[in-house]
Amino acid sequence: DVKVTQSSRYLVKRTGEKVFLECVQDMDHENMFWYRQDPGLGLRLIYFSYDVKMKEKGDIPEGYSVSREKKERFSLILESASTNQTSMYLCASSFGDREYNEQFFGPGTRLTVL
Amino acid sequence: QKEVEQDPGPLSVPEGAIVSLNCTYSNSAFQYFMWYRQYSRKGPELLMYTYSSGNKEDGRFTAQVDKSSKYISLFIRDSQPSDSATYLCAMTPYNTDKLIFGTGTRLQVFP
Repeated sequence: DVKVTQSSRYLVKRTGEKVFLECVQDMDHENMFWYRQDPGLGLRLIYFSYDVKMKEKGDIPEGYSVSREKKERFSLILESASTNQTSMYLCASSFGDREYNEQFFGPGTRLTVL
Repeated sequence: QKEVEQDPGPLSVPEGAIVSLNCTYSNSAFQYFMWYRQYSRKGPELLMYTYSSGNKEDGRFTAQVDKSSKYISLFIRDSQPSDSATYLCAMTPYNTDKLIFGTGTRLQVFP
């Protein structure tokens, strides 16, 4: 079974703090993704990565950065957390070499910024 | 206008009912169409995917794609309380991994 794990289920941070969200997958997937999910807005892509040390901006990258030093691990960084970054953050991974690559999601991290 | 539109619901039906969930889209380049199911406090999981137009059936679930109308549907027959979840449609152009999601429809099936 594919397993995508995220470091925390719930996180509470203060405005201005640096926040790290970690994601690990155990299926040797090439692709990894970070989304945020908000009521009425659905899932929106923040960043994705097709390979180690490679990253591409998604639809809403402002205020975020990412790091992928190892194939199995993809980190999302909030350099200076703000209240409008309160959200559910979902990590996903997929193979990159097939005609269609199913994305497998982690359980999510609910981040609250006070 | 959003690229993918989906009624947020909630949709509340009795057990055994036939459920119809729908999405419309504007980008004619979309070729792969997916339905994800998301239970409360869980990540989405893939339920079905179809390529281009047509129907696909898997047990009680049927996915339909009408590219001429830019309209996709998910039908659930003999709905069960365990089907209560949020259903997200997603789509992507050919040979790319960037998915565009609908906002999700919350479904409640009551006994």
